[in-house]
Amino acid sequence: EPEVTQTPSHQVTQMGQEVILRCVPISNHLYFYWYRQILGQKVEFLVSFYNNEISEKSEIFDDQFSVERPDGSNFTLKIRSTKLEDSAMYFCAGSGTIGVEQYFGPGTRLTVT
Amino acid sequence: DAKTTQPPSMDCAEGRAANLPCNHSTISGNEYVYWYRQIHSQGPQYIIHGLKNNETNEMASLIITEDRKSSTLILPHATLRDTAVYYCIVRVASGGSNYKLTFGKGTLLTVNP
Repeated sequence: EPEVTQTPSHQVTQMGQEVILRCVPISNHLYFYWYRQILGQKVEFLVSFYNNEISEKSEIFDDQFSVERPDGSNFTLKIRSTKLEDSAMYFCAGSGTIGVEQYFGPGTRLTVT
Repeated sequence: DAKTTQPPSMDCAEGRAANLPCNHSTISGNEYVYWYRQIHSQGPQYIIHGLKNNETNEMASLIITEDRKSSTLILPHATLRDTAVYYCIVRVASGGSNYKLTFGKGTLLTVNP
């Protein structure tokens, strides 16, 4: 069964550094998402992406964040200058058609020190 | 998207049916009920969704009341591996930019041996 993969599983970085979180969605998916979950809190939507454009973004997704699908298979989330409060699990998700179920990756745990 | 209310926690004995309730009294006519679960620190996993008819798949059954103001997710024979946080999410299935999932706090289901 196809699945979403994410790398790395755990990333430790210093405050102010740039990080890139990578995701390989299921190959026939068209819609892509990033969510995050701060320890002990709810899963929060960050951004949705379709046809090489951002479809929707939340208030969390400020100018420090960007997304890209550089080669038709990888889907990346970049944080330009990490802050302590960016420490969280970041989940990538995808769906095949508008509105149907989303399939999530295992997540990347980002720790900012 | 309509708001949902779920109990914060429930217990279930292994092998018994787990019945997880969800209230969504403000649901609109074009909104579906989705259920996801999150096993500790893993990515959310899609379980089932429905509009107004009861639905069943290999994982669970979804019972939606006739007025659609509440629903119940049924795991027919709960196992220890079903211990997770279960999220009931109401959203439109298509149209507009409402593709994101809005997670609440969900119900922590603990399956006991």
